[in-house]
Amino acid sequence: DAGVIQSPRHEVTEMGQEVTLRCKPISGHNSLFWYRQTMMRGLELLIYFNNNVPIDDSGMPEDRFSAKMPNASFSTLKIQPSEPRDSAVYFCAISEGVDDYGYTFGSGTRLTVV
Amino acid sequence: KNEVEQSPQNLTAQEGEFITINCSYSVGISALHWLQQHPGGGIVSLFMLSSGKKKHGRLIATINIQEKHSSLHITASHPRDSAVYICAVPLYGGSQGNLIFGKGTKLSVKP
Repeated sequence: DAGVIQSPRHEVTEMGQEVTLRCKPISGHNSLFWYRQTMMRGLELLIYFNNNVPIDDSGMPEDRFSAKMPNASFSTLKIQPSEPRDSAVYFCAISEGVDDYGYTFGSGTRLTVV
Repeated sequence: KNEVEQSPQNLTAQEGEFITINCSYSVGISALHWLQQHPGGGIVSLFMLSSGKKKHGRLIATINIQEKHSSLHITASHPRDSAVYICAVPLYGGSQGNLIFGKGTKLSVKP
């Protein structure tokens, strides 16, 4: 996880509350991705940025979800208002595009909306 | 749009056995990714490969671009290899960009 720091690791919130997930890429990258993982649907792309610009947000479920990347070292994913069906693990990943591995994932944020 | 199929879904092996996990996809790509997700939930990239074969320790990944098929092999398996192994390909081809994922193969290696 040395390349991507996510916070918080766990978040429990009540339905209707605003939730902000954070991602800090440490190593060099040109693309940043937000993925969501659930038991039913597996890993799904929510949005990705290339050079800090949102390229594809077609995976964002609805207007309650928004993401920003104000600079190369920071990105946020916000859910407002949160709903129980948003409960999932949210991963941030970066693509460096040049090494043998391709992608570096953060440890994920486990979100529970009650 | 690419579709990704993995087999088997679940795999139980005895320590020391040779393991193979398969991945097929539907749209032409330039590179395919193998990921490992441990019971703790973290995801690690194992390989990005575009042709032939790559080897890291006891892990070997092969790909046949023409047949749209890749395999992940584990030699001399060990209980610490127990994890979910996920194949992923770029959504619209190429080698990078947003990935779509197979449903994963859950591997359990018994001592």
